[in-house]
Amino acid sequence: ERVMTQSPATLSVSPGERATLSCRASQSVSDNLAWYQQRPGQAPRLLIYGASISATGIPARFSGSGSGTEFTLTISILQSEDFAVYYCQQYNNWPLTFGGGTKVEIK
Amino acid sequence: QVQMQESGPGLVKPSETLSLTCSVSGDSISGSFWTWIRQPPGKGLEWIGYIYYTGSTNYNPSLKSRVTMSVDTSKNQFSLNLRSVTAADTAVYYCARRINGGVFDPWGQGTLVTVSS
Repeated sequence: ERVMTQSPATLSVSPGERATLSCRASQSVSDNLAWYQQRPGQAPRLLIYGASISATGIPARFSGSGSGTEFTLTISILQSEDFAVYYCQQYNNWPLTFGGGTKVEIK
Repeated sequence: QVQMQESGPGLVKPSETLSLTCSVSGDSISGSFWTWIRQPPGKGLEWIGYIYYTGSTNYNPSLKSRVTMSVDTSKNQFSLNLRSVTAADTAVYYCARRINGGVFDPWGQGTLVTVSS
C-alpha cells in the first residue's frame, strides 16, 4: 500500500498570501496524484489530477506540481473561500489511498 | 451535470449490516465506475471500493471481507453493504464517480452513519 504523507498538518496563512502544501508518497506513484479541497461540512471537491492538471472550473490560483514521490499544491493568492482542508490521493496503485490532509487556516 | 445522493439509515447496531444506496442523476450509470469513500468524524478519507456498471468490483483489502457492492442500472443506482459493523465504522459515507483511472469527481454530499446500540 502506498502511504501518502502530507505536511504541514496545519498551515496558517493570511488572505492574499501564497500557500504551499506538500504531499509525499512512500513509493513512486508517477504522476497519478490528485488534490481535493474540503470545506467544513461539505464533501471533497476535485482540484487537480495528473499531478498538475486543473479540474473543470477550478480557479487558476490553484496549481499542482511534482512526480514520483514528491508533490506540491500551491494556492497563489489565498481567498477567504480557500480556507479549508486539502487532501492528496494517489491512484497509481491499489488500494487507492489519501494523505492525512493539510488544514489551511486564517493567520 | 452529474449529481449523486446517498441514502440509508443513519443509525446501525453493532454486528449488523450497514446498507447505503447512491442515486445518480444527470447521466447514465452505464459506462462508468462508481465508488464509495468514508470519513470518520474529524479524520481523513478512506477508499472503500468501486463497482463498474457491469457489476465488476474492486475493494480495499482492509474491508474486503465485509464489503459487497452492487449496481442497478434500471434505477441508475449503486449500493454498499458493510457487514458486522463496529463503532469504528461510524463515518460519513460518500459516493462518487471514478474517472481518469482513479480520480473521484463528483461526490455526493455524504451521509453520516453511526454505529451504536
